[in-house]
Amino acid sequence: AQSVTQLGSHVSVSEGALVLLRCNYSSSVPPYLFWYVQYPNQGLQLLLKYTTGATLVKGINGFEAEFKKSETSFHLTKPSAHMSDAAEYFCAVSSFNAGGTSYGKLTFGQGTILTVHP
Amino acid sequence: EAGVAQSPRYKIIEKRQSVAFWCNPISGHATLYWYQQILGQGPKLLIQFQNNGVVDDSQLPKDRFSAERLKGVDSTLKIQPAKLEDSAVYLCASSYRARERETQYFGPGTRLTVL
Repeated sequence: AQSVTQLGSHVSVSEGALVLLRCNYSSSVPPYLFWYVQYPNQGLQLLLKYTTGATLVKGINGFEAEFKKSETSFHLTKPSAHMSDAAEYFCAVSSFNAGGTSYGKLTFGQGTILTVHP
Repeated sequence: EAGVAQSPRYKIIEKRQSVAFWCNPISGHATLYWYQQILGQGPKLLIQFQNNGVVDDSQLPKDRFSAERLKGVDSTLKIQPAKLEDSAVYLCASSYRARERETQYFGPGTRLTVL
């Protein structure tokens, strides 16, 4: 079974500072990894995803994440935080069923709330 | 293109009552998902449809929850009877097909409060 652990339920940064949100996964097969953002009272919006190929993935709003197989990590970063980045961020791994075929089920971490101070 | 539509956005009911949520996926998306998001947790898959067939309902509490997607387009999720622990946001998502690399597009969710 696949699982996702997000280290830190709350992260607080100053505007202009580096944003680092941590995600570690557990998967018995090559993973497909996603970062979603959720603004208050809204659904989840895809920031970026890793499927195959380049391990450094660039997403929307200046975010990027690096897939590190040796560390089973997929941390999300942004060089300079903006007030509009305040939201909850979810890391997710795409799951396979018991038969090994993929049905695209997402297993999410518990989320990290990002607060940006002026 | 229009996104995933859900209604209602908010619902408050008493325990033991019944409630239904509606979802209309993005046009052309064959796969539809219902997730439950309890406060402070990540979304958890309840049920996944491929067209009008169920792909995965292993985490659906079938004694009280039911879902259907009769014509392979919109879907309804029902809870009967509701319990206090069902208070959560119910998210609907859709994707073009059921593959591990596909992006799922989420609706705004229905926030359910059970009193």
